[in-house]
Amino acid sequence: AQKVTQAQTEISVVEKEDVTLDCVYETRDTTYYLFWYKQPPSGELVFLIRRNSFDEQNEISGRYSWNFQKSTSSFNFTITASQVVDSAVYFCALSEDDYKLSFGAGTTVTVRA
Amino acid sequence: DGGITQSPKYLFRKEGQNVTLSCEQNLNHDAMYWYRQDPGQGLRLIYYSQIVNDFQKGDIAEGYSVSREKKESFPLTVTSAQKNPTAFYLCASSSGPASGRAVDTQYFGPGTRLTVL
Repeated sequence: AQKVTQAQTEISVVEKEDVTLDCVYETRDTTYYLFWYKQPPSGELVFLIRRNSFDEQNEISGRYSWNFQKSTSSFNFTITASQVVDSAVYFCALSEDDYKLSFGAGTTVTVRA
Repeated sequence: DGGITQSPKYLFRKEGQNVTLSCEQNLNHDAMYWYRQDPGQGLRLIYYSQIVNDFQKGDIAEGYSVSREKKESFPLTVTSAQKNPTAFYLCASSSGPASGRAVDTQYFGPGTRLTVL
C-alpha cells in the first residue's frame, strides 16, 4: 500500500507566483517523522525539513513554509514568490519506527521566467 | 568538507555483467542506505546498514548485493540477476543508532546513473 501520496505530478508556474505541493500520508503509528526533499536537475536529493508527529507547529523558513495537519494526514509545502532556481522535483517522505524512508512519487515544479 | 561521494556519475555496462557502485561518506555516520530511482517514480530502498558488518534487505533487494566492511564505505553490486538494472542509484547516510534518536535525517550523495546496454 502506498504510504505517501503526492497527487500532483507536475506544476508549472510563472516566477513570483506561489506554489503549494500536497502530501498525504498513511500510517498506524503514533510516532512518525515526515520529510521534504528537493531534487534539482543535478540529481542529488537535498534535505529541506523534518517534522515529528508530536509537533504540529507550522514552520516558515525564508520563502518556504510547511503546513502539518494530523487530522487530515497531510504535510503540505508552499514556496512563496517562486524563482527559477526552485525548479526541481520535490519529494515527501515518511519514516515510522525504523530507519527506512517511504517516498512519494514526487512533484515536478517548473518555474518559468 | 563533510559529505557523501558516489562514483562514477555515469556508468555503462553490457547486459550480463556485474557492476559495483561506490559510496563513501566522511560524516562519521553509522547508517548507510542504497536507493533506486526510476523515471517519474519515488525512491525505493534496496539495502541498508545500521552498523559495520551488518546490513538488511530493503524493499527491492533481489539482484543486488552489498558489503559493509568499513564505516565509511557501502558499495553496491548490481548483479546479472537484476532484470532491469538501468536506473539512477542514490546512496544516503544518517547518524544511525549512535544518535539515540529513533529516526534520523538521511543525507544523500549525488547519485550514479547506470545504463545497461
